[in-house]
Amino acid sequence: QKEVEQNSGPLSVPEGAIASLNCTYSDRGSQSFFWYRQYSGKSPELIMFIYSNGDKEDGRFTAQLNKASQYVSLLIRDSQPSDSATYLCAVNLNDKIIFGKGTRLHILP
Amino acid sequence: EADIYQTPRYLVIGTGKKITLECSQTMGHDKMYWYQQDPGMELHLIHYSYGVNSTEKGDLSSESTVSRIRTEHFPLTLESARPSHTSQYLCASTQSGLETQYFGPGTRLLVL
Repeated sequence: QKEVEQNSGPLSVPEGAIASLNCTYSDRGSQSFFWYRQYSGKSPELIMFIYSNGDKEDGRFTAQLNKASQYVSLLIRDSQPSDSATYLCAVNLNDKIIFGKGTRLHILP
Repeated sequence: EADIYQTPRYLVIGTGKKITLECSQTMGHDKMYWYQQDPGMELHLIHYSYGVNSTEKGDLSSESTVSRIRTEHFPLTLESARPSHTSQYLCASTQSGLETQYFGPGTRLLVL
């Protein structure tokens, strides 16, 4: 079992709708959780990180963490075409950042 | 904005050549990382360092080597490039306690 699992997609969402991206992790020792956005041919850029159970909001983005169920999600409200990218979930496990394969998100104009 | 730099950005080289990919950061971060990523594929950690004179191999076996003689500099060397080394190499850094990992722009390597 991979340490960080994501559905590879593509996930297609109409412009203006809510995009929901999910991620599960296998090691309960994981300490903190990250969402990165990566445009094709570019480097990943950090969108949000979360440590505690519950929701964390930043603008149109909300990260949700449920440690009991070992999943973390990212909601993007009012999706824009510029949100089309690959979204990488990552966890901090013993000071190493472990990345998932990423979910390709496509916002339909 | 992160101050982490990689050179060269693009490199086309013949088989058997020795190459060094440069990575520098001006943020004083103690932790630095090298990842390898093929197009559309996941990031694989190949090397990391937690400080000067500290280097460790990552999860993906790699024929490359790294050094960390100065805090700000973390070069990656391939002694003899092969076509299988063709990939994108991403450098990242973070400071202990901050956890936010900043990525450089990457080096795209093509070995013919």
